[in-house]
Amino acid sequence: TQLLEQSPQFLSIQEGENLTVYCNSSSVFSSLQWYRQEPGEGPVLLVTVVTGGEVKKLKRLTFQFGDARKDSSLHITAAQPGDTGLYLCAGQAAGNKLTFGGGTRVLVKP
Amino acid sequence: EAQVTQNPRYLITVTGKKLTVTCSQNMNHEYMSWYRQDPGLGLRQIYYSMNVEVTDKGDVPEGYKVSRKEKRNFPLILESPSPNQTSLYFCASRMRTDNYGYTFGSGTRLTVV
Repeated sequence: TQLLEQSPQFLSIQEGENLTVYCNSSSVFSSLQWYRQEPGEGPVLLVTVVTGGEVKKLKRLTFQFGDARKDSSLHITAAQPGDTGLYLCAGQAAGNKLTFGGGTRVLVKP
Repeated sequence: EAQVTQNPRYLITVTGKKLTVTCSQNMNHEYMSWYRQDPGLGLRQIYYSMNVEVTDKGDVPEGYKVSRKEKRNFPLILESPSPNQTSLYFCASRMRTDNYGYTFGSGTRLTVV
C-alpha cells in the first residue's frame, strides 16, 4: 500500500505570512496532484506535477515535485483569508490508483 | 457547465434499508470513482470504473456495490447499510489518460442510525 504523509496537519497563520505544506512518501509516483477542499464541497484540483524537479506556479502558490518523484511541497506567499481550506496531495501510480494524503488544514486569519 | 452531480446531498437512513447514491458527469470522462472521507482517515477509494461495464474494487469496497451501464452514470449502492458506513461520500471523474486530475462532486453526507 502506498502511503502519503502530509505535514503539518494544521496550520494557523496571519494574513500576509508565508506557509509551506509538505507531502512525503516512500513510493514513487508518476504524478502528484494538489487539491483544495472547502467545507461542504468536494476537493478542487489546483495543479498536477509530473516531472521530477518540476516547479509550477499558480499566482501566489508554488508547487514542487521532488527529484525522485516521492515528495512534493506547496508554498503560499502572502497568504490571504481566501486561502483558508483543506489542502490535499494525491499521488498517481501507474494505472488508475490515486492515493490521498491525510490533508493539511490551513487557517489564514485577517 | 462541466460538473459531477451527486444526489442526494444529505441522507439519514436506518440500518438495513437499501439505498442508492446517484452520480452523473457531463464531461464524457472514462474514469469514475467513489471515495469516502472520514475524520482522521482522509479520502479512501471505494470502487472505480475505467469505462462502461468495467468496475473494480478500491481500498474499502466491503458493503458497497456499483454499476456502470452508461458512461455518464456511476451509482453507489448500499444493500444493507450499517452505522459504520456513516460518512461523507464523493463521486469523481477524469479522463482516461494518466496524470489528469479528478473532478469531484459536492458530496453526499450519509448518516445510518
